Amino acid sequence: DIQMTQSPSSLSASVGDRITITCRASQTISSYLNWYQQKPRKAPKLVIHATSTLQRGVPSRFSGSGSGTDFTLTITSLQPEDFATYYCQQSYASPFTFGPGTKVDIK
Amino acid sequence: EVRLVESGGVVVQPGGSLRLSCAASGFTFDKYTMHWVRQAPGKGLEWVSVISWDGSTTYYADSVKGRFTVSRDNSKNSLFLQMNSLRTEDTAFYYCTRTDHVMIIYGGFDPWGLGTLVTVSS
Repeated sequence: DIQMTQSPSSLSASVGDRITITCRASQTISSYLNWYQQKPRKAPKLVIHATSTLQRGVPSRFSGSGSGTDFTLTITSLQPEDFATYYCQQSYASPFTFGPGTKVDIK
Repeated sequence: EVRLVESGGVVVQPGGSLRLSCAASGFTFDKYTMHWVRQAPGKGLEWVSVISWDGSTTYYADSVKGRFTVSRDNSKNSLFLQMNSLRTEDTAFYYCTRTDHVMIIYGGFDPWGLGTLVTVSS
């Protein structure tokens, strides 16, 4: 099975900050990497799919990059509604594993 | 509007069985691969199972293989998860979701239902 790791596990930031979350796969997954945002007591929401494609309706301050085993999610100019937990996920091979999550909270 | 609505979550004893359902609307159900993903309270996301648009392909997480069975009824726009030999570690919110492009298995999951809570406890 492909293992997914994320760093950091949590971070504190201010509105307007730029943040970067890193995700690493235990083996190459090409560009089959997705990012989800989850707010407390809500279902996850797809933010980016296929490494860098912004999901419909997601603001352009979100971006993704990477290939192979190393990927990043960047949010420029963090907004109040962006404080949430972010999960990466590989859709290269079953089981479609998720990373452990990165909680972004307000400094 | 694309909607996924899960149901069937209850409190069940260890060793018991349960069948979850997911009602889909707002899209052509028989063209989409469907997934179950679970989340234990306060924990991260765990992918559980997938079934292809035509039901011909299914995969499972090792943690549920041999105990859970995914199925679908395309005539009723419905997805199911039969859960047998339940364990306390199966306690979680169970979400129904789909691969966000037609007739592929491998892709991002969107949208998600609101989830249904399964509690396995004596």
